[in-house]
Amino acid sequence: DTAVSQTPKYLVTQMGNDKSIKCEQNLGHDTMYWYKQDSKKFLKIMFSYNNKELIINETVPNRFSPKSPDKAHLNLHINSLELGDSAVYFCASSFSAAGEKLFFGSGTQLSVL
Amino acid sequence: GQQVMQIPQYQHVQEGEDFTTYCNSSTTLSNIQWYKQRPGGHPVFLIQLVKSGEVKKQKRLTFQFGEAKKNSSLHITATQTTDVGTYFCAGKGRSGNTGKLIFGQGTTLQVKP
Repeated sequence: DTAVSQTPKYLVTQMGNDKSIKCEQNLGHDTMYWYKQDSKKFLKIMFSYNNKELIINETVPNRFSPKSPDKAHLNLHINSLELGDSAVYFCASSFSAAGEKLFFGSGTQLSVL
Repeated sequence: GQQVMQIPQYQHVQEGEDFTTYCNSSTTLSNIQWYKQRPGGHPVFLIQLVKSGEVKKQKRLTFQFGEAKKNSSLHITATQTTDVGTYFCAGKGRSGNTGKLIFGQGTTLQVKP
């Protein structure tokens, strides 16, 4: 069983569209994250939730809206997609919010045309 | 804000040669973690260092945490083609307990057989 699974793996869409990425972890972890990896492989944290509560909200356009219905799920909705949103988005989880090791999902390659 | 710099950005070595990547933080860290990302894959946790001056080994990999807890290094002895990938350090600042890890830019290692 995959520990952190995210869907879809690939997402190709037009500028201006709205899309969602879903993430689920079966590790029983309290904390989940969204990271964005750009074309230069730089990994930047976007959001973090601990037990469904938002605890990290980096300087991200408000077109990006995370939602955590329960501590095992963290979804990312993106409105009005722009070319610059093209990247790989990784979901991750950790045991708690204290900064332990991260378990990453396999990533979602988003291409905005 | 906290910054984590990693050098070099790229390294090409002949199989059997050694490899080192260096990580420097602008602030003192409470811990530092290392991750490996294979081409097309997701970051996978390798190790965490917590103590000042700590040295840990995993087979051919040696990890060090500086005395001032502001820098770290990963050394691979006698590289193999299976070592190919991007190595990231990620540091957690000493203030706060939100688990916010700041990633270095990564060092991409190519190993020529």
